[in-house]
Amino acid sequence: LAKTTQPISMDSYEGQEVNITCSHNNIATNDYITWYQQFPSQGPRFIIQGYKTKVTNEVASLFIPADRKSSTLSLPRVSLSDTAVYYCLVGEGAGNNRKLIWGLGTSLAVNP
Amino acid sequence: NAGVTQTPKFRILKIGQSMTLQCTQDMNHNYMYWYRQDPGMGLKLIYYSVGAGITDKGEVPNGYNVSRSTTEDFPLRLELAAPSQTSVYFCASNLPGGDEQFFGPGTRLTVL
Repeated sequence: LAKTTQPISMDSYEGQEVNITCSHNNIATNDYITWYQQFPSQGPRFIIQGYKTKVTNEVASLFIPADRKSSTLSLPRVSLSDTAVYYCLVGEGAGNNRKLIWGLGTSLAVNP
Repeated sequence: NAGVTQTPKFRILKIGQSMTLQCTQDMNHNYMYWYRQDPGMGLKLIYYSVGAGITDKGEVPNGYNVSRSTTEDFPLRLELAAPSQTSVYFCASNLPGGDEQFFGPGTRLTVL
């Protein structure tokens, strides 16, 4: 069964680039890697998803090395509003056999 | 689209009482999920469904039941509430082929 590990917390300053890494040593060959952002008292919100190499959208980039045993969420030029908890998610299997493996979350604090 | 809606927002139960947490999505998503999130912790999957008439257990199903009679609705039933079920409950949904889940605002449940 896949397992995900990510740092418990990180600190940064406004304007810096933040990289959060998630390890998933036992990821299956057909798994997606997905990242979510959660603010207090809200449900998680999808940020980005990838399968291999690099994916970029308007808010983040996701770097996935060739062995896919880890992934790095990159937030460019963070602001105070990026203070939140970030979760990585790995899926495994399909249909009724699908398993979702959530990380425990990385609490990012962005300071002025 | 309203997205994923959950009712009620808050509820206090006495030990042994029962209740149903409602979840509805208007995006025609096949997959639906129920999670619980304890304070300061990550998400734990309770039950999920890949389509109407199909449900399956997640990581922590004990004490809960679900049904999926329509694509839109995925209610979660607590039969005999216990203090250990005090948590925030999130419903989510997505289309097959990825893990971009859309979350509801959550139901905050306290069992006293």
